[in-house]
Amino acid sequence: QVQLQESGPGLVKPSETLSLTCDVSGYSISSADYSAWIRQPPGKGQEWIGSFFRTGNILYNPSLRSRVTISADTSKNQFSLKLTSVTAADTAVYFCASVSTTWTVNYWGQGTLVTVSS
Amino acid sequence: QSALTQPPSASGSPGQSVTISCTGTSSDVGGYNYVSWYQFHPGRAPKLMIYEVSRRPSGVPDRFSGSKSGNTASLTVSGLQAEDEAYYYCSSFAEIDNLVFGGGTKLTVL
Repeated sequence: QVQLQESGPGLVKPSETLSLTCDVSGYSISSADYSAWIRQPPGKGQEWIGSFFRTGNILYNPSLRSRVTISADTSKNQFSLKLTSVTAADTAVYFCASVSTTWTVNYWGQGTLVTVSS
Repeated sequence: QSALTQPPSASGSPGQSVTISCTGTSSDVGGYNYVSWYQFHPGRAPKLMIYEVSRRPSGVPDRFSGSKSGNTASLTVSGLQAEDEAYYYCSSFAEIDNLVFGGGTKLTVL
């Protein structure tokens, strides 16, 4: 059974760095197609942040590329997100997910709410 | 504002059929058969319902079906059941942004 679980601080101060980790069970991220981060601001649709491919190739949303880093620790079967210089606009529920090469989000984590506020 | 346009709400009585639309452009929905639909229930992990326009993952009831015409994709739920009440979001591969989503539709079973 595939499970993804996000973890990290629920409150981040403006201008600081948001850091989240996704623990994966039920499949190996080193053999999956893409492992991805997606976010959903309150009352809005989702926004793709970026994807980590099993070969190490990483794709980022062009609108966030300058502030985002996605990395993976295959020994722990987990991958991480760092978003720098956050503002209130970065307040959202952040999901980690498994994405196929046809850009289908096969599995989602439950999501974790991150609020940017002083 | 989401890249793909969905109606904010849809509704139907038990047993009826409801169709939810998802409109994009030729650079996403219209240009590729990589449209998916997801069901969001509060407190649960979102669930894939339809992928590659009309394919259904194992375990998803055949009451759920997908189609596409031009730049608009559609999700049809036939034989509505109370458990189908949820938010539904579409997504598509997009040439520039890779993956884009709709703003979501709240499906209410009357």
